[in-house]
Amino acid sequence: ETGVTQSPTHLIKTRGQQVTLRCSSQSGHNTVSWYQQALGQGPQFIFQYYREEENGRGNFPPRFSGLQFPNYSSELNVNALELDDSALYLCASSLDRFTYEQYFGPGTRLTVT
Amino acid sequence: DAKTTQPTSMDCAEGRAANLPCNHSTISGNEYVYWYRQIHSQGPQYIIHGLKNNETNEMASLIITEDRKSSTLILPHATLRDTAVYYCIVRVESGGSNYKLTFGKGTLLTVNP
Repeated sequence: ETGVTQSPTHLIKTRGQQVTLRCSSQSGHNTVSWYQQALGQGPQFIFQYYREEENGRGNFPPRFSGLQFPNYSSELNVNALELDDSALYLCASSLDRFTYEQYFGPGTRLTVT
Repeated sequence: DAKTTQPTSMDCAEGRAANLPCNHSTISGNEYVYWYRQIHSQGPQYIIHGLKNNETNEMASLIITEDRKSSTLILPHATLRDTAVYYCIVRVESGGSNYKLTFGKGTLLTVNP
C-alpha cells in the first residue's frame, strides 16, 4: 500500500467524449505525476504538477490537462477521446520535484470505444 | 535521459537469487540508476537506486560496474510474490528532466515454484 488512491478503477467512454480521472496523493506530498500505460508497454510520462502548477510535460497533446489542489488531490482531464487513449492511467506522488522515490497508485483502466 | 536495455524476460526458481541485468552504456556522470517493479494489476514500486557504489536495502542489492555502463539488480531469495516486470531507469538527481521517470518495456521476471 502506497497511500495513493485513484478513482474510478475502471471506466468506459465513447470516442469524442471527455473524461476526468482522480488521484489522492499521500499527505505532505506536494508533487504529483501522471503516466499513461498502454498494454504491454512501460508507463509513459504525461505531466507533473508541483504546488498546483505544471512543472513538466511529456509528449502528449494539449487535450490532456491536469489540476492539482491544496488538499493533495489532483485530476487528469482528457478531451475529445480517441481510441488510442485506451490505457491504464497512473498517478504518482512524491515529496517534492526532485525526490528519488515516486509512490504510484493502482491506476484507472480507461477503455475508449 | 540515457537509454537502457534489458532482457524481455527471465525465469528464476523460488528461493534462488534473481539477477536482472541492465545495460546503460550512454549514462552520464550525473545520472543515477533506478529500479522499479510492477506487479500485475498494480502501479510501479520503487526498489533501489544508486550512482556508482553498490547499494543494498531490505528488498534488493544493486551492483553497478566500475565504468557505470551496466548494472545488476539482485533479489537474494526470490519468492513467488517477486514475479513482476522490473524496470531499470536512469535519470539525473535534480534539475533538467529529473521530474519524470522514463520507463522502457522492462524485464518480466517469473519466479517458479
